[in-house]
Amino acid sequence: ETGVTQSPTHLIKTRGQQVTLRCSSQSGHNTVSWYQQALGQGPQFIFQYYREEENGRGNFPPRFSGLQFPNYSSELNVNALELDDSALYLCASSFPSGQETQYFGPGTRLLVL
Amino acid sequence: SQQGEEDPQALSIQEGENATMNCSYKTSINNLQWYRQNSGRGLVHLILIRSNEREKHSGRLRVTLDTSKKSSSLLITASRAADTASYFCATDAEDSSYKLIFGSGTRLLVRP
Repeated sequence: ETGVTQSPTHLIKTRGQQVTLRCSSQSGHNTVSWYQQALGQGPQFIFQYYREEENGRGNFPPRFSGLQFPNYSSELNVNALELDDSALYLCASSFPSGQETQYFGPGTRLLVL
Repeated sequence: SQQGEEDPQALSIQEGENATMNCSYKTSINNLQWYRQNSGRGLVHLILIRSNEREKHSGRLRVTLDTSKKSSSLLITASRAADTASYFCATDAEDSSYKLIFGSGTRLLVRP
């Protein structure tokens, strides 16, 4: 088990709503990355935060946004939810700047109805 | 889109047998990693191999990397029922090393 925690574990929302997912990184890690994993697929990179700044972004629309706090915990916000946003959302922490091994949390499973 | 592709998509073997999974990728990389995922939960890091390495071992795991063919293989020896999981390769591209690019995974079933 890694020291990365995520909340909530499961979430059900309706189309058009907004959602906030939370992640606490492993002690000593200053970088957090977020991934979306659709059923039966590999994770896809959403974005990464390093020392509270966005350090890179994948091919996701602006309604996916994030924050990193001074204690290196992070939030993923998704606005105007669509049915295709239903997925497992994974956060991963690493040190120093996101390269090499990333330590994943257990994920938040989001269902959009 | 996924950079890597694992082969086979699914693999069923008997306990005690060896399992081999392959991964191909498209761009130049700094390193390649293998992760395991149990039943749609978080990913567990297994092993990392750098682009200048050809083979690496960790316990019952053996990973090879062929950068000329842009491919890697993961061998699990003497498999156990507890090895049942999905296995993913992940690469970091040289021009965007901040992100991991995952393949679509191999689903391994080890029958007792």
